[in-house]
Amino acid sequence: GAVVSQHPSWVICKSGTSVKIECRSLDFQATTMFWYRQFPKQSLMLMATSNEGSKATYEQGVEKDKFLINHASLTLSTLTVTSAHPEDSSFYICSAEGQGETQYFGPGTRLLVL
Amino acid sequence: TQLLEQSPQFLSIQEGENLTVYCNSSSVFSSLQWYRQEPGEGPVLLVTVVTGGEVKKLKRLTFQFGDARKDSSLHITAAQPGDTGLYLCAGPGGGTSGTYKYIFGTGTRLKVLA
Repeated sequence: GAVVSQHPSWVICKSGTSVKIECRSLDFQATTMFWYRQFPKQSLMLMATSNEGSKATYEQGVEKDKFLINHASLTLSTLTVTSAHPEDSSFYICSAEGQGETQYFGPGTRLLVL
Repeated sequence: TQLLEQSPQFLSIQEGENLTVYCNSSSVFSSLQWYRQEPGEGPVLLVTVVTGGEVKKLKRLTFQFGDARKDSSLHITAAQPGDTGLYLCAGPGGGTSGTYKYIFGTGTRLKVLA
C-alpha cells in the first residue's frame, strides 16, 4: 500500500517550453502533497505544499508563477514548469501525506532543459 | 526555524563493518522518519519513530528516537553493498500561516565497498 507514481519519469525539452509533471497517489487519498527539488548529491528541497481544493503554499524563494501547482483531486497533483530554462534542469520529486504524518514519495522526474 | 543536521555527511566503509548515522535538532519533533534513496529514484521509507526512547529494528538496521524527541540514530550492523545510498531523516515541522510541511535532514551518503 501507499504507492505514489510520477509521470513522466524523465523529460527533455527545449528552453522556453512548459513541462507538466503528474503526481498520483494510487491506493490512498492525499489531501496534502508536496513537491521537492533535488540537486545532485544533495538532500531534498521543499518547493511547495499542495492542498486539494486550495492554492499551493510556496517556500521562500520559489516563484509561484514559474512553478504552477494544481491539486484538483485527492489523488492527483501537477507541477508545471513554465518557460523552462536550463537552470530548471533538476530531479523533481513529489510526495503524498499518508497516515501518521508519514510521507510517501514518488520515483521522481528528471527534467533536462536544453 | 527547525533544522535537522545529519552526520556524517559521507561515509565509505568495507563490507561487514558497522556504522551509525545521526540526525540531530534543537527542536522537538512529534515523529521522525528515516528514508533511503538510490540514484535516480525517490526516497523509500524505512521506518517511523514516534515515542521518545523508542527503538525499532529492521533486519540489520536499528533506529532509535531520543528521549527528548530531538534526535535519532540509525545503526547498521554488518553493512553490505546493497546498503549503499543516501540516508535521509525527516520530520513534520510548522510552516508559515499554519501550513504543515516536512523538514528533511542534510543527508548521509553511504558507500559500502565489497
